[in-house]
Amino acid sequence: GAGVSQSPSNKVTEKGKDVELRCDPISGHTALYWYRQSLGQGLEFLIYFQGNSAPDKSGLPSDRFSAERTGGSVSTLTIQRTQQEDSAVYLCASSLATGQMNTEAFFGQGTRLTVV
Amino acid sequence: AQKITQTQPGMFVQEKEAVTLDCTYDTSDPSYGLFWYKQPSSGEMIFLIYQGSYDQQNATEGRYSLNFQKARKSANLVISASQLGDSAMYFCAMREIYNFNKFYFGSGTKLNVKP
Repeated sequence: GAGVSQSPSNKVTEKGKDVELRCDPISGHTALYWYRQSLGQGLEFLIYFQGNSAPDKSGLPSDRFSAERTGGSVSTLTIQRTQQEDSAVYLCASSLATGQMNTEAFFGQGTRLTVV
Repeated sequence: AQKITQTQPGMFVQEKEAVTLDCTYDTSDPSYGLFWYKQPSSGEMIFLIYQGSYDQQNATEGRYSLNFQKARKSANLVISASQLGDSAMYFCAMREIYNFNKFYFGSGTKLNVKP
């Protein structure tokens, strides 16, 4: 596709259930980011991928959160045993790994997760 | 300390007027880049403008310009001739040379353009 695609766009889940959020980056973009945006807040960095490896996982809030990327393309963010405080919009972004400071990140439209 | 600070949670501007959205940043890296993104109600983040720390001139992109004051560590976004379609959240972001793969975002400013 032309842009970053995220699915599902909306997810309502019961507390304690596991959820998987998917991100399909722009073709050829080797860098991939996950951010979390709580209501009315800025973007909180979760994890960064370069290819299939994740050199920076520093933003994952707990061990219930994990992410993987396969084939240097699609990434899945998994939240186990969801809690109400996990409710947020999860944004995925990708960029070319040019090493240039001005290379912007392109964002998907996000997955709105609601834990009830 | 916050890397990016946006002190205006909400702003109103009259259509066709100019508006300035504030952004201050905190870094000790010798090189960094500053970005502004627009987030309409649809949720997607749209890249608007970029300013490099070594750029001599303020960046401009159409109706968007960046008022970069390096000594003050500020990178304010100026939108000229506001349009109704400019109503959105606006985020300032930074990446640093020594932490290149991470974009730091501010908390955003919600801009409302009044007809």
